[in-house]
Amino acid sequence: EAQVTQNPRYLITVTGKKLTVTCSQNMNHEYMSWYRQDPGLGLRQIYYSMNVEVTDKGDVPEGYKVSRKEKRNFPLILESPSPNQTSLYFCASSSRVPSGAYEQYFGPGTRLTVT
Amino acid sequence: GQQVMQIPQYQHVQEGEDFTTYCNSSTTLSNIQWYKQRPGGHPVFLIQLVKSGEVKKQKRLTFQFGEAKKNSSLHITATQTTDVGTYFCAGPGGGADGLTFGKGTHLIIQP
Repeated sequence: EAQVTQNPRYLITVTGKKLTVTCSQNMNHEYMSWYRQDPGLGLRQIYYSMNVEVTDKGDVPEGYKVSRKEKRNFPLILESPSPNQTSLYFCASSSRVPSGAYEQYFGPGTRLTVT
Repeated sequence: GQQVMQIPQYQHVQEGEDFTTYCNSSTTLSNIQWYKQRPGGHPVFLIQLVKSGEVKKQKRLTFQFGEAKKNSSLHITATQTTDVGTYFCAGPGGGADGLTFGKGTHLIIQP
């Protein structure tokens, strides 16, 4: 089954404790992306990757890191989480660049709480 | 960066009434996509529009892309309870190959 998986689905952590949210897709997609979703603000793109070893900033990259060492995986790293990073995070992938009009497949989401 | 404005933020309708959400951009868009997110779920792709003036239909859903490619709309005819959710438009932005979403329209249906 074609899918995007994220782990963990729920995470409660404390300020400053480094964490990684994993994302994996089994569709051989080149493009992968991370979004955060906050009430009243919709979905905002954090980082995206065009392919292995190619990443770029989205609209809200501050406080986040990503890496793309393998085509199927695109982890999101918060080196020193802060309470304002409490949010619902989605990973997504597509076979082409979304701005070139190819649909994105979203993962189930990771709800992160930073206290 | 590129902004995509979406209105209204919330829309309450009686079951069977029609619903429309609008997306506007200050700049010309090469394309626009629409997604639906059910409560507690993740966004799911509905459609993409590329051509000026394009109109596409999916059963009770009608999608339009403006002639100037700066606005788009999603219209649902005779809403059903299964239509409940948040509808997002998305266009190019936030980096050379990024994607910027509108803030979404929450559709609430009263039986």
